[in-house]
Amino acid sequence: ETGVTQTPRHLVMGMTNKKSLKCEQHLGHNAMYWYKQSAKKPLELMFVYSLEERVENNSVPSRFSPECPNSSHLFLHLHTLQPEDSALYLCASSQGGLAGRLSTDTQYFGPGTRLTVL
Amino acid sequence: AQSVAQPEDQVNVAEGNPLTVKCTYSVSGNPYLFWYVQYPNRGLQFLLKYITGDNLVKGSYGFEAEFNKSQTSFHLKKPSALVSDSALYFCAVRDVDNYGQNFVFGPGTRLSVLP
Repeated sequence: ETGVTQTPRHLVMGMTNKKSLKCEQHLGHNAMYWYKQSAKKPLELMFVYSLEERVENNSVPSRFSPECPNSSHLFLHLHTLQPEDSALYLCASSQGGLAGRLSTDTQYFGPGTRLTVL
Repeated sequence: AQSVAQPEDQVNVAEGNPLTVKCTYSVSGNPYLFWYVQYPNRGLQFLLKYITGDNLVKGSYGFEAEFNKSQTSFHLKKPSALVSDSALYFCAVRDVDNYGQNFVFGPGTRLSVLP
């Protein structure tokens, strides 16, 4: 195991539901990431937090809302999703980020949450 | 802008034979380069990275990769493939000199090692 856990591992939700994905890292890292992995598409970086400050938001729709209450926890709040949002959502963490800056160190990934939007 | 290409969607190799998974990159400055592997229903696992120094980098599970600056390549290699190496492999790059850019991942190459 990589030291990064994600819950739930699988989630099925309707388009009108509200749900949250949780990520926790036990590595003492100070940067955390959300990625979206869709079939036959490159990994898409969604959000980056460094020292609990969001440093990158890659034009992600507002129906995805991240939250980083501390350096060990990262959430992705979901509401009114679309079927095309069905994908594997991966969390990662790394060390070395400065406040407000991007980390260049190795990223360690969680196992992902397989999301299906009906 | 930085980018990564993995020209092969699929690589098939017989068990015991050497394997190569190709990666080429484009950055304006100096690159950090990474290889990750993804097994079914799992997240990405770090294999190896090049930051600076020796162009031949050794990583986990007997894998190695060679950084070639003139060809802007970072191919992943293993002298003798195992069936258990069958997985999806991702190359990633980060521009060292452009602090505003984060990692970019390639589209992935599916490796199948046949018994």
